[in-house]
Amino acid sequence: GAGVSQSPRYKVTKRGQDVALRCDPISGHVSLYWYRQALGQGPEFLTYFNYEAQQDKSGLPNDRFSAERPEGSISTLTIQRTEQRDSAMYRCASSLAPQGGGNQPQHFGDGTRLSIL
Amino acid sequence: GENVEQHPSTLSVQEGDSAVIKCTYSDSASNYFPWYKQELGKRPQLIIDIRSNVGEKKDQRIAVTLNKTAKHFSLHITETQPEDSAVYFCAPPMDSNYQLIWGAGTKLIIKP
Repeated sequence: GAGVSQSPRYKVTKRGQDVALRCDPISGHVSLYWYRQALGQGPEFLTYFNYEAQQDKSGLPNDRFSAERPEGSISTLTIQRTEQRDSAMYRCASSLAPQGGGNQPQHFGDGTRLSIL
Repeated sequence: GENVEQHPSTLSVQEGDSAVIKCTYSDSASNYFPWYKQELGKRPQLIIDIRSNVGEKKDQRIAVTLNKTAKHFSLHITETQPEDSAVYFCAPPMDSNYQLIWGAGTKLIIKP
């Protein structure tokens, strides 16, 4: 696609429910990143993939959070048993090259605004 | 671990004047230095980046300068315009896994 696409744009759910957030990266981009961004702050790293392999998940807050990218393209971030503190903007980014990924420009999606009631 | 500091946290300048934002990092092995701009309610977007083999890079009204010895790099915006109002983030990578380490952001306000 032309840019990184995330869905849904907004998600409101009750505490305790599971949610799945989707990211469709730029076509051909090897690296895919998930971030969480609080209002007025910089993106907080959660995890990243090169192709289908999860390279680093050190930023995932706890074991309720998981991510996958089974075919090396679309990725899903899943939060189980949601809590109010999970409310945030979740952003996905992709970059072209696989080597490290941190030295390539990252292209961000518009994010999913998650609200837990 | 990697430590990144941005200064100032808020910068207010008169339209037409210049703005400078500084980013200090701790990982001496960093070799890529990007600046992202985030307008209110929008996604972060890369506006300029520099690699460690050069000291300065310019793109029209924006420039980035790098001082590897002192471990800082700066964003320079000249002839500021209202559309430059945004939050600017530096995000040098952590060398161990190239994960970007984001600064806290600088809110730039352009006064008419």
